[in-house]
Amino acid sequence: DTEVTQTPKHLVMGMTNKKSLKCEQHMGHRAMYWYKQKAKKPPELMFVYSYEKLSINESVPSRFSPECPNSSLLNLHLHALQPEDSALYLCASTPRHLFGETQYFGPGTRLLVL
Amino acid sequence: AQSVTQLDSQVPVFEEAPVELRCNYSSSVSVYLFWYVQYPNQGLQLLLKYLSGSTLVKGINGFEAEFNKSQTSFHLRKPSVHISDTAEYFCAVTYNTDKLIFGTGTRLQVFP
Repeated sequence: DTEVTQTPKHLVMGMTNKKSLKCEQHMGHRAMYWYKQKAKKPPELMFVYSYEKLSINESVPSRFSPECPNSSLLNLHLHALQPEDSALYLCASTPRHLFGETQYFGPGTRLLVL
Repeated sequence: AQSVTQLDSQVPVFEEAPVELRCNYSSSVSVYLFWYVQYPNQGLQLLLKYLSGSTLVKGINGFEAEFNKSQTSFHLRKPSVHISDTAEYFCAVTYNTDKLIFGTGTRLQVFP
């Protein structure tokens, strides 16, 4: 199984809502990543988890809260988002958090904040 | 600052024609280079990568790229494109860190 899955595929939420994005992989990878991608732009790194511990936070606003409950699962909790947070949210994983490893991406969750 | 540049934001080409997508990176002692493809409404998929060894790297779907250290380039090529190659292509690099730095992307549009 070389797949990273993400749910939901699409999400529409109001600025006062709380929602969560889910990412799962069963490749035995021990590093997982959240990226944000705006239209016609490259992905921007948000968070990196290595061995279920947060190792990189790219100065992301606290309205985004990541969680890694186990080695296969990565969540992104959303609260009080702004319309400018509308984007494609991509999850990725690598065997380890090491220089040069291939990142395996999920299909993304397309988020619209109203 | 370490960076990667994709000079062409869009490349239109006819089916069965050759194509080259350009990528340049800022010089560094150690660098790993990647090309990813993103089809509409999908995530990114690795096409190929250069870590070391032969400077000509072959990837999936008939793509190849050449690492040129003197020109700090890693251009992507395909001798004959198909309609199905229409997608966004991202060059990416890591410079002695675990962080992947993406270029701004090149939209390849293949016309019949």
